[in-house]
Formats: sequence, structure tokens, C-alpha cells
Amino acid sequence: EVQLVESGGGLVQPGRSLKLSCAASGFTFSNYYMAWVRQAPKKGLEWVATISTSGSRTYYPDSVKGRFTISRDNAKSSLYLQMNSLKSEDTATYYCARHGLGARYFDYWGQGVMVTVSS
Amino acid sequence: DIQMTQSPASLSASLEEIVTITCQASQDIGNWLAWYQQKPGKSPQLLIYDATSLADGVPSRFSGSRSGTQYSLKISRLQVEDIGSYYCQQAHSNRTFGGGTKLELK
Repeated sequence: EVQLVESGGGLVQPGRSLKLSCAASGFTFSNYYMAWVRQAPKKGLEWVATISTSGSRTYYPDSVKGRFTISRDNAKSSLYLQMNSLKSEDTATYYCARHGLGARYFDYWGQGVMVTVSS
Repeated sequence: DIQMTQSPASLSASLEEIVTITCQASQDIGNWLAWYQQKPGKSPQLLIYDATSLADGVPSRFSGSRSGTQYSLKISRLQVEDIGSYYCQQAHSNRTFGGGTKLELK
């Protein structure tokens, strides 16, 4: 059974940093692109970052480019999201997701972790 | 950037009713489109990919279609377990979601 378990969320002040983790199990982690998707309270979904199988290629939307860094450790079957210079608009539930089906879609999702950016 | 305009934003329907949700892409994305369902308090779940292909385990009352740059999700006979929010997502260039449709029971 595919499982994705996020951790590391919490309350952080604007301008500070936070690092999220995602522990994967139930599949060969190193064979899949992985991603982070977020959802602000009562709002829709927003793709945040994608990383290739080896970690050599990363992709971001303009809203987080230069502030967020996605990384992975295939030996530990773990995915990470380093978030710097956090803003109030980064407040959201962050989901770890597996990029299945040719790395185009998100076929498995974690339960999500809440990040609140507030003074 | 590719924009996905989803409609309606909210929808109230009766059990057994046919429900249709649409997404309009701002440019040609071919068949690179998915639909997700998000039940209240839960994570999203993949329903449809490549515009018309049903994901594993998804009931056959769900179907997807395409007409040019307009994409539709159809629920043929609404069930109580279908209540929640629905999102489209384009996979042609980066990844963009539609604004969502909140489906409620009438």
C-alpha cells in the first residue's frame, strides 16, 4: 500500500524558514517523480514543486521560485521542502504527492501538514 | 502560464441526477488533463487522467470528455459519497489546477 506521511508543519513568523518532510513507503520511491501541492484555507489546490527521480531536475511556479527548494533522499525514501522567506500567503496545508502516469498527474497524496505564517 | 477556468464554482444536485463540471483551458493542452475529487477533510484523489481515462478503483459513473480546449467531468447518477469538491489539472506545461467546484446535495 502506498503511503505518504508529511511532517514538520507548524506556526512560523513571516520571513522565517521551515522545512517539511515526507516519508514514503509501499512503492519504489526512486522510480517516481515527486511533488508538493498546497491548499490555502477554504481555497483551491496550487502546485508548489516537482523533483525528478534522481533529484537533478526541479520545477517551481513563479509564486515560490527562489524561496522554496524541493529535494529528496532516495536511500531514505524521503522528500523535503525547504521554505525560506515565508509570507502570510504561504499559509496552507501542504501535501506530498507522487507523480504517477508519466509524471504528469498526482496519483497518490499524503494526508497533508498545516503551515501557518503569522506574527 | 496556462490558466484553467472551472465552472460552476458551486453546484447543488439531487441523488441519481446527472452532474457535469467543465474546465476551459487558456490554450491547447491536448489530452493532458486530470480530474480530482476531494471529500471534506480529506486529501484529493485522482479520478480521471488523460482527459478520458478512469483511474484505478474509480466507479464507472464518472467519465471525462474533451471538446477542443473545453473539458468535462460527468457523474452519471449522483451518489451521496460523491459529495465534495472537484478540481481539474492541466499537465501540458508545469501544473495548474482549476479553481474547483463544490458539489452539494439538494
